[in-house]
Parts: sequence; C-alpha cells; structure tokens
Amino acid sequence: NAGVMQNPRHLVRRRGQEARLRCSPMKGHSHVYWYRQLPEEGLKFMVYLQKENIIDESGMPKERFSAEFPKEGPSILRIQQVVRGDSAAYFCASSPDLTPNTEAFFGQGTRLTVV
Amino acid sequence: GENVEQHPSTLSVQEGDSAVIKCTYSDSASNYFPWYKQELGKRPQLIIDIRSNVGEKKDQRIAVTLNKTAKHFSLHITETQPEDSAVYFCAASIGNFNKFYFGSGTKLNVKP
Repeated sequence: NAGVMQNPRHLVRRRGQEARLRCSPMKGHSHVYWYRQLPEEGLKFMVYLQKENIIDESGMPKERFSAEFPKEGPSILRIQQVVRGDSAAYFCASSPDLTPNTEAFFGQGTRLTVV
Repeated sequence: GENVEQHPSTLSVQEGDSAVIKCTYSDSASNYFPWYKQELGKRPQLIIDIRSNVGEKKDQRIAVTLNKTAKHFSLHITETQPEDSAVYFCAASIGNFNKFYFGSGTKLNVKP
C-alpha cells in the first residue's frame, strides 16, 4: 500500500503564474487535508475534502486559492497568480474512511518557491 | 477557534537524558492529540497520540500525558538518542475529523 503521494516535490513559479499541487491519498482513504508550512513554523490547516466535496475550507485564503478532490484522480490544490508570500511547503494528509479521527498520514510535501 | 501553544521552541539535551515538551490548548472540545516528528525536509510522522478519554499513553521510550482540566498535554522522551533530533509538533483536533491545530514546534537537539 503506497503512502500518500504528492507531486511535484519541488515547484518553482514566477510571480503571477499558477501553481498546481497534486495529492493522491492512501488506498482506502477518502478524507484529504491540505496544510501549509512556512519556514521555521508549524503546519496550518487549509482545507478538508472528501470525494467531490469540500467539507471545511476555513483555512483557505479567500482569493487565488482553490481545492478539489474529484471522483477520479488526485486532489488538486490550485494557487492562481502566485506571490512571493505563497512560498512554503504544502502537505496533504489522508485518513481512513471509517475512522477519520485517527492517524493522519502525510505526504512528502510540495515545496513551492515563487521567484 | 482552537489555539495550541508549544514550549520550548528549542531543547538541547545530552544523549541518555530525558526530554519533555509541553503544549496547551484552548478549546475544551478538543478530543484527539497527536504528536508528530519532522526531520529536515521530510514529512511529519506520527510518533504517538492520545484521546481525551485517556490520561497517559506509553510506547517504549515515548510517553504522552493529558490533563483535560488544565488543558495541557506533554511529550516525554526517555533515554534520548541522537536520532531523536528533529522538530516535534503537538496538535489538537475537535470532533471526528483530522482538522489539526498544530503547535509552533520544538527543535530537539540530542548531543552525543
């Protein structure tokens, strides 16, 4: 059973471009969470999704950020018109269908650098 | 919303000594408290967790205690080894889902 897979591992974007981050949860997991980690800081919750549904997006900036988890394929975190302040590590985590409040398995993260 | 505070921000111990990291939380509805270890450039990995109906949990050299009345929980590592050096994060979640509120992290350095 492969772990949570995120790609790309590293992403460099110029200011104003779009960034797309992908997350494939572990097999049997339909709960996906996205977190952002700024350098030297803890992880901050962004959004919680189940298949085809956004359950909680209270941590997402109101503009430029969006997330989806389609019926088929990975979850996507999309950042439009990136700015330098978006540079961070973005981690996704997944948890099992029947016991969502349990160990969350994190992916390796995508390190976004905006130049 | 929930607020989790973590202390100390850095901790340096001699190999073989114990290390203690403390966290407080603000929302009494929090019911699940995991601890994650993160090595430089790597993913956070769960090392131990505790639920609100339990006061203490131990796994070999690692233990976690929870005081619901005072709303604080602590990580205890005994007989520390150099490979324990990493950043440790506490977290809290409310309800049935893994929307975690993380502490700011403790950088543990175990000197050989």
